Amino acid sequence: AQSVAQPEDQVNVAEGNPLTVKCTYSVSGNPYLFWYVQYPNRGLQFLLKYITGDNLVKGSYGFEAEFNKSQTSFHLKKPSALVSDSALYFCAVRDAFTGGGNKLTFGTGTQLKVEL
Amino acid sequence: EAGVTQSPTHLIKTRGQQATLRCSPISGHTSVYWYQQALGLGLQFLLWYDEGEERNRGNFPPRFSGRQFPNYSSELNVNALELEDSALYLCAPGTGTSNYGYTFGSGTRLTVV
Repeated sequence: AQSVAQPEDQVNVAEGNPLTVKCTYSVSGNPYLFWYVQYPNRGLQFLLKYITGDNLVKGSYGFEAEFNKSQTSFHLKKPSALVSDSALYFCAVRDAFTGGGNKLTFGTGTQLKVEL
Repeated sequence: EAGVTQSPTHLIKTRGQQATLRCSPISGHTSVYWYQQALGLGLQFLLWYDEGEERNRGNFPPRFSGRQFPNYSSELNVNALELEDSALYLCAPGTGTSNYGYTFGSGTRLTVV
């Protein structure tokens, strides 16, 4: 089975500073990796995905992620954090079912807090 | 969460009762995926329906079941509720065999007392 790990439960950053939310993966074969964001009392919003191609993936709201095969990482980044970016962030990997089809396997989530 | 509606938003049930959660039709998507987000357990895959059939289920007991209707909307039923079933239940659309890259519904917060 595929898995992802988010080593930080919480990340604190000052508004205007760059932010990084870390994710590492363990997969057999080529990884399909995703980032989602969850605001309080809301569902999951898709931010970006890596399937193939350029290692730097650009997504919604100014976020981007860098796929690094040698380090098996897929860290989420933003050059300048906003207070409104404060939310819970999930990394996920496509995980195939035996017999066809697949699902998402999520990391444990990282709470991002952006302070003034 | 455009195009994905879940109801009710909140649901409070007593242990032993049954809960029914709903996920609205999603135009153009034949699949529905259900996930459970329980405190301390993270997001876990629960069920996958495609074209009206259950295609796969996660590591959950049989008292978690559901169905998908001809209009592709879906219900999740949880029988004989236990306290640990308290969680946020999320659904997501899919096409064929995948649900990645889609935004989930806002979820139903189920509280079992």
